[in-house]
Amino acid sequence: QVQLQESGPGLVKPSQTLSLTCTVSGGSISSGSYYWSWIRQPAGKGLEWIGRIYTSGSTNYNPSLKSRVTISVDTSKNQFSLKLSSVTAADTAVYYCARAGIVVVAYDYWGQGTLVTVSS
Amino acid sequence: DIVMTQSPDSLAVSLGERATINCKSSQSVLYSSNNKNYLAWYQQKPGQPPKLLIYWASTRESGVPDRFSGSGSGTDFTLTISSLQAEDVAVYYCQQYYSTPLCSFGQGTKLEIK
Repeated sequence: QVQLQESGPGLVKPSQTLSLTCTVSGGSISSGSYYWSWIRQPAGKGLEWIGRIYTSGSTNYNPSLKSRVTISVDTSKNQFSLKLSSVTAADTAVYYCARAGIVVVAYDYWGQGTLVTVSS
Repeated sequence: DIVMTQSPDSLAVSLGERATINCKSSQSVLYSSNNKNYLAWYQQKPGQPPKLLIYWASTRESGVPDRFSGSGSGTDFTLTISSLQAEDVAVYYCQQYYSTPLCSFGQGTKLEIK
């Protein structure tokens, strides 16, 4: 059974960089059949796709966030990571890591989510 | 960008009754070369991540009860729960993956018991 788990600081100061890591267990992140993604959800609101990475390191980002986002992968640790720079209060949200197939690009496995609050 | 719009925003249905949630995309998510609709449905309960229910607009994910069904094509889609159970109380989202890598979600429909 594949499991994903987010980790990282729950509080980030405005203008700083938000950094989160997703650890994948029960399956290899190098399998080549999946995209590994970050999705966020402000409290009481809907879901926003942030970006994704393939095992090759190829990335795609939401154009609305592209200038501030970096997603990377560490196959040796079976992890992938998110960095979001120059954060503001609008970036306060629950951040999820999730897996999607390369054919059916729907998200079949999700982490439990981690709340990141941007505040001084 | 493809905008997904769900209706209604909230819905109250009696136990055992049918619940119907609609999703409309701003452009077709039907890929003509394979005749597949690039549309998924998710269920999200409080404090939990979304759970994939349906993909290709009508294919149930493994383990999803058969009271959940998806239908529609092109720009108009429906998620139907044939006989509402107490555990179905949740927010439901549609998602298009036609414009991958950029996917988009509907705003969500909150389903409650009447």
